[in-house]
Parts: sequence; structure tokens; C-alpha cells
Amino acid sequence: EVHLLESGGDWVQRGGSLRLSCAASGFTFRGFAMSWVRQAPGKGLEWVSAISGDGSDTYHADSVKGRFSISRDDSKSTLFLQLDSLRADDSAVYFCAKLSLGNYYDSSAHADYWGQGTLVSVSS
Amino acid sequence: DIQMTQSPSSLSASVGDRVTITCRASQSISPYLNWYQHKPGKAPKLLIYVTSNLQTGVPSRFRGSGSRTDFTLTINGLQPDDFATYYCQQSHTIPWTFGQGTKVDI
Repeated sequence: EVHLLESGGDWVQRGGSLRLSCAASGFTFRGFAMSWVRQAPGKGLEWVSAISGDGSDTYHADSVKGRFSISRDDSKSTLFLQLDSLRADDSAVYFCAKLSLGNYYDSSAHADYWGQGTLVSVSS
Repeated sequence: DIQMTQSPSSLSASVGDRVTITCRASQSISPYLNWYQHKPGKAPKLLIYVTSNLQTGVPSRFRGSGSRTDFTLTINGLQPDDFATYYCQQSHTIPWTFGQGTKVDI
């Protein structure tokens, strides 16, 4: 059974940093693209970052480009998101998602498994 | 970016009802439209991928259809476990974008 467990969410002051982790199990982590999606309080889902199965390609939404960085450690089946220069509007639950393919830029890719999320709160 | 618009934003229904949620894209995305179910405090769940393909383990009462810019999620015979928020999402073009969600409650 696929299981994704996020951690690292916390309360942080504006301008601060956090590192989110997503521990994966139940599938061969290497080879599948992974993604982070967030949900601000009372809002919908926003795709934040993605990384290809071999780690060679990454994507970051314009709203986080230059401040967030996605990475992966296949030896530990773990996905990371480094959050720097945090702003109040980065406050959200951050979900880790496994994609169905090795490439996130393949149109037929979709997020087939998700974690329950970790909460990031940024004071203003 | 491709804009995704869902309607309605919320609806009230009863167990056994047929529920229809629509999703409109700002440009043609066919067939790369996916549907997710989300309950508060839980992991979002993939229901339908690439317009009409049922994810493994999802009950057959969920059905997806549509083409070009207009897509529909239909739930035939609403069950108590189906009260949740539903999101459409396009994977046709980076960045992936989601609809604003449709909350289904009693």
C-alpha cells in the first residue's frame, strides 16, 4: 500500500525558512515524479513544485520561484521542499503527491497518491 | 496559465441523489482532465484521470466525461462517504491548475 507522510511544518516568522519532508513507502520511489501541492486556509489547491523521477528536472510555480526548492533522496525514499524567505501568503497545508509517471511534464501524468499534509504558518 | 472554473461552488444533496459537477477550461485541454475528492484533514484522493478513467478502487458510481473545454463529474447514487469537496485539475499544460472546488454536503 502506498503511503506518504509529510513532516516539518511549523509556525515561523516572515522571512524565515523551513524544510518539509515526505517519507514514501509501498512503491519503488526511484523513477516516479513527485510533487508538492498546497492549500491555503479556506482556499483551493495550488500546484507548487514538481520533480522528475530521476531528479533531473524540477518545476516551481511563479509564486514560489527563487524561494522554494524541491529535491529528493532516492536512497531514503524521501521528498523534500526547502522553503526560504517565507511570506504570510505561504501559510497553507502542504501536501506531498506521487505522480503516475516518471515525468511531470507528460500530459497524461496525474497525482495518484497523496499524503495528509503538513501545516506551515507564517506570521505577518 | 489555463484557468479552470467549476460549477457549482457548493451544492446540497441527499443520499441516493445523482450529482453533477462541471468544470470548464479556458482553452482546450482534452483529454487531460483529472478529478479529486478531498475531505478535511485527509489526503486528497484521485477519482478519475484523463477525463473518464476510473482510478483503481474507486466505486463505479463515479463517472467522468467531456471534451475540449467542458468536463463533467457525475456521482450516481450519492453515498454518505461521498460528502466532500471535489476538484478538477488539468495536466495538459504546465503549470497544472485546479478548479476552485465544489463542496457537496447535505
